[in-house]
Amino acid sequence: DTAVSQTPKYLVTQMGNDKSIKCEQNLGHDTMYWYKQDSKKFLKIMFSYNNKELIINETVPNRFSPKSPDKAHLNLHINSLELGDSAVYFCASSQGGWDTQYFGPGTRLTVL
Amino acid sequence: AQTVTQSQPEMSVQEAETVTLSCTYDTSESDYYLFWYKQPPSRQMILVIRQEAYKQQNATENRFSVNFQKAAKSFSLKISDSQLGDAAMYFCAYRSNQGAQKLVFGQGTRLTINP
Repeated sequence: DTAVSQTPKYLVTQMGNDKSIKCEQNLGHDTMYWYKQDSKKFLKIMFSYNNKELIINETVPNRFSPKSPDKAHLNLHINSLELGDSAVYFCASSQGGWDTQYFGPGTRLTVL
Repeated sequence: AQTVTQSQPEMSVQEAETVTLSCTYDTSESDYYLFWYKQPPSRQMILVIRQEAYKQQNATENRFSVNFQKAAKSFSLKISDSQLGDAAMYFCAYRSNQGAQKLVFGQGTRLTINP
């Protein structure tokens, strides 16, 4: 009965590779988010989608591309991975953007 | 742009005692929400408590309560009867009710519970 799930939970890859992180929510929410938590534990919004439409796109390199195939899914694809991309990536969801955001378990990405 | 500041990188408390975590924020808006999230070693972000800026009454959830001072832009979290399971990083977060509804987080406070 997981509310917000992410796969994989851990991802170790080489510089220059392309990787994807998947997120699914079964809460019936219409808004989903990606946050990045850096090595100092600082959390910052990256993207937000509402009903499959991009509504927040912070200053993120265009190597990062979110994709929302439907309201329940928001995937994050990263091209040409760099060392600085190593972080924990959190997916979250809410109803209507004004409701409380519920987070997934996070994906720890390590770029070697 | 809104900012959130948690001035205590680390705090510790004896089990069963009370501890208060500080948070201040900067905004020119009057309509917003404030949150406290907990991140235990499992990494999961867990909502602890939330406060709507228009509500004067401080929010309470069991052993967790807040002291919301809107004029001072202060939002502290009080944990009563601290338990070992309360050990975690605690993040204060701000969310506007206008425009993009993103969470703006503070730097976090690491709370240690001493048995």
